[in-house]
Amino acid sequence: DGGITQSPKYLFRKEGQNVTLSCEQNLNHDAMYWYRQDPGQGLRLIYYSQIVNDFQKGDIAEGYSVSREKKESFPLTVTSAQKNPTAFYLCASSIWDGGDSQHFGDGTRLSIL
Amino acid sequence: KQEVTQIPAALSVPEGENLVLNCSFTDSAIYNLQWFRQDPGKGLTSLLLIQSSQREQTSGRLNASLDKSSGRSTLYIAASQPGDSATYLCAVRQLGETSGSRLTFGEGTQLTVNP
Repeated sequence: DGGITQSPKYLFRKEGQNVTLSCEQNLNHDAMYWYRQDPGQGLRLIYYSQIVNDFQKGDIAEGYSVSREKKESFPLTVTSAQKNPTAFYLCASSIWDGGDSQHFGDGTRLSIL
Repeated sequence: KQEVTQIPAALSVPEGENLVLNCSFTDSAIYNLQWFRQDPGKGLTSLLLIQSSQREQTSGRLNASLDKSSGRSTLYIAASQPGDSATYLCAVRQLGETSGSRLTFGEGTQLTVNP
């Protein structure tokens, strides 16, 4: 089945540590996105990528980094510079030419030890 | 900057009731509007997508309407069931947005349908 796979489902970060969240899709979508969701809030865009080897900052990119070396993969690194990383992180993808809905993974919940 | 607001934040109804969820947006220059469902600890599932040229979309017991000029959308759920319990989010894609399918989300309405 085609879809988006996020791993791990739960992740714990120590102070000063960088952690990487995985996102893989087999939908052959060009565009991929990372969102952050805090309790009782909507989604906020962290980074997005329209095509391989290209990505753009979203609304809350500080303290995060991404790469897009393959069409299928868009990993997100939460760096030690992100002082409040505890949240639910969602990855999504869509066909680039718009008019199409975004497809979401099941998310990764990141907590601080 | 586009802002999306959803009212109410939470709603609890008995099974079988028809209900309406509201979504408003501040900038009417949208490309489309989408309603999503989110179960606890899960990702989002797309329910309905309305293009800016459309007035409504229907899928089963769900009907979504769009009034672009007033900046409003409603999601109507007929004959609600306990399985409809979830958080419902609306999101808009801005017209002319150079970032493709970039969406602005509301905060969601948490729906509980009691048996």
